[in-house]
Amino acid sequence: DVKVTQSSRYLVKRTGEKVFLECVQDMDHENMFWYRQDPGLGLRLIYFSYDVKMKEKGDIPEGYSVSREKKERFSLILESASTNQTSMYLCASKVGGAKNIQYFGAGTRLSVL
Amino acid sequence: AQSVTQLGSHVSVSEGALVLLRCNYSSSVPPYLFWYVQYPNQGLQLLLKYTSAATLVKGINGFEAEFKKSETSFHLTKPSAHMSDAAEYFCAVSESSNTGKLIFGQGTTLQVKP
Repeated sequence: DVKVTQSSRYLVKRTGEKVFLECVQDMDHENMFWYRQDPGLGLRLIYFSYDVKMKEKGDIPEGYSVSREKKERFSLILESASTNQTSMYLCASKVGGAKNIQYFGAGTRLSVL
Repeated sequence: AQSVTQLGSHVSVSEGALVLLRCNYSSSVPPYLFWYVQYPNQGLQLLLKYTSAATLVKGINGFEAEFKKSETSFHLTKPSAHMSDAAEYFCAVSESSNTGKLIFGQGTTLQVKP
């Protein structure tokens, strides 16, 4: 069974802190994605990675960075958390090819105070 | 550029009534289309997908969707709503690239009344 695991379901951080969100998949997928989800805005792509150490910016990369040192792990980094980064963060992975399914983790709800 | 529009951010139906969630897409190439469901405090789960085979696609939990090229639509239906169908539903189109990034609609919250 496909599994995408996000390390935390809920996180509370303070403004200015460096925050790491971790995502691990066990399906040997090439592609991994980070989204943020806000009411009324749907899912917006922050960054994605199509191979180890490879990354590309999505639609809203400002204030975020990512790391992919191993194929199964994709980390989202908030260099200096701000209150407007309070959101639900979703990780996903998939094999290559436009018609293949993206599998999602359960999400991390981040609150920045 | 590809895009997806979901008409109606909130839909309310009675238990046992027809569910119809609307999705229109824009794509210059034959699209791959997906419907996902998100239950409260969970990630997204695939309901069904269209990948240019049959235009009527059947998914899990009794849902189905029909691809209509002339209307650029991929509406989601279920003949009889159940209380457990209450959730948020997302329509998405896949970019025609090897990565296959998804472009999501804004989501529709389905409320099912007893």
